Amino acid sequence: QVQLVESGGGVVQPGRSLKLSCSASGFTFSSYAMHWVRQAPGKGLEWVSIISYYGNNKYYADSVKGRFTISRDNSKNTLYLQMNSLRPEDTAVYYCARDYHSNDYWGQGTLVTVSS
Amino acid sequence: DIQMTQSPSTLSASVGDRVTITCRASQSISSWLAWYQQKPGKAPNLLIYKASSLESGVPSRFSGSGSGTEFTLTISSLQPDDFATYYCQQYNSYPWSFGQGTKLEIK
Repeated sequence: QVQLVESGGGVVQPGRSLKLSCSASGFTFSSYAMHWVRQAPGKGLEWVSIISYYGNNKYYADSVKGRFTISRDNSKNTLYLQMNSLRPEDTAVYYCARDYHSNDYWGQGTLVTVSS
Repeated sequence: DIQMTQSPSTLSASVGDRVTITCRASQSISSWLAWYQQKPGKAPNLLIYKASSLESGVPSRFSGSGSGTEFTLTISSLQPDDFATYYCQQYNSYPWSFGQGTKLEIK
């Protein structure tokens, strides 16, 4: 069965960096584009970024453009999100999601808290 | 960028009721619209894609309609498990975007 497992969240100070990972199993990872979506505490969903299945096309939300970088390693079935220059407003649960019929499978999420 | 607006923000209903949630796009998105259900502490669950296609495993009491800029999600007969928050999402163009959510509460 399809499984997506995020990791790498935690508490980080403003201005610092953090790298999230999403480990995929149960499907051919290299055949699907992948997304990151976040949700601030008590708030709605916010789309963050997408990477094509070979990694050559990437798009970002304006709120993270220039600070976040999405990448993938198809040999390891893993999706990444490098987050630099973190701000308190980046505090959220970060989900990875598969690109099929919009987003058909989601991970359980990893919490990132940006606070001094 | 495309803005998605859901209404109402909160909806109170009873088991067995028929309910409808509306989602409007700031410009045409053809039929590139999805609906999700989310329960507290859980990831969103895809219900409907391409405006009216039911995702595999989703009960048939859920249905979607619309195209262009106006869309609806209908639950034909509310069940206790349906009380949750619902989001629409456009995937016509980047950046993808979600509506602000509709919280469906027990009356």
